[in-house]
Amino acid sequence: DGGITQSPKYLFRKEGQNVTLSCEQNLNHDAMYWYRQDPGQGLRLIYYSQIVNDFQKGDIAEGYSVSREKKESFPLTVTSAQKNPTAFYLCASSIDWGNEQFFGPGTRLTVL
Amino acid sequence: EDKVVQSPLSLVVHEGDTVTLNCSYEVTNFRSLLWYKQEKKAPTFLFMLTSSGIEKKSGRLSSILDKKELSSILNITATQTGDSAIYLCAVEVDAGNMLTFGGGTRLMVKP
Repeated sequence: DGGITQSPKYLFRKEGQNVTLSCEQNLNHDAMYWYRQDPGQGLRLIYYSQIVNDFQKGDIAEGYSVSREKKESFPLTVTSAQKNPTAFYLCASSIDWGNEQFFGPGTRLTVL
Repeated sequence: EDKVVQSPLSLVVHEGDTVTLNCSYEVTNFRSLLWYKQEKKAPTFLFMLTSSGIEKKSGRLSSILDKKELSSILNITATQTGDSAIYLCAVEVDAGNMLTFGGGTRLMVKP
């Protein structure tokens, strides 16, 4: 089955710790994206990658880092510099930049 | 498992037409339903609906939620070519504002 997977569904971390959220796709998509969703707000773009080994900051990149060493993987690290890390994080991919995006199931991160 | 279904999958209309997009859901602990317009970059937030029967409007776009029918519609009147996009419906559930997305409706408006 083709699709996008994010794991785990729920993640808890202590304040001050870095945490990495995984996103994998087997759709052979070139472009991948990370979003954050907070209650009462729309999705906000954190980082995106148009092609492997390349990525760009989105609208709210501060306190986050990414890598794109493999086409199918786009992990997001939430660093201790991120002031309000508790949120729902969504990963998406598209066949190439600007095309329809397919969303993963999301990870709910809670920082205690 | 939470499920959100959108219809139709795609739609082609001419400028000036009115369109109605549908979203139905089966989720536990419903909190809100959100509509997005997806073009090149991040989906653009359109509406958040939490109460049944109250229409939300923004220009030529309007949306309403029916909690009894577990569905929502998004209306676009006097369509323009700039309305061409994929329209996404997502449902937020209580368990930590998790979102489940529908598959989207691809709208094309021809001049």
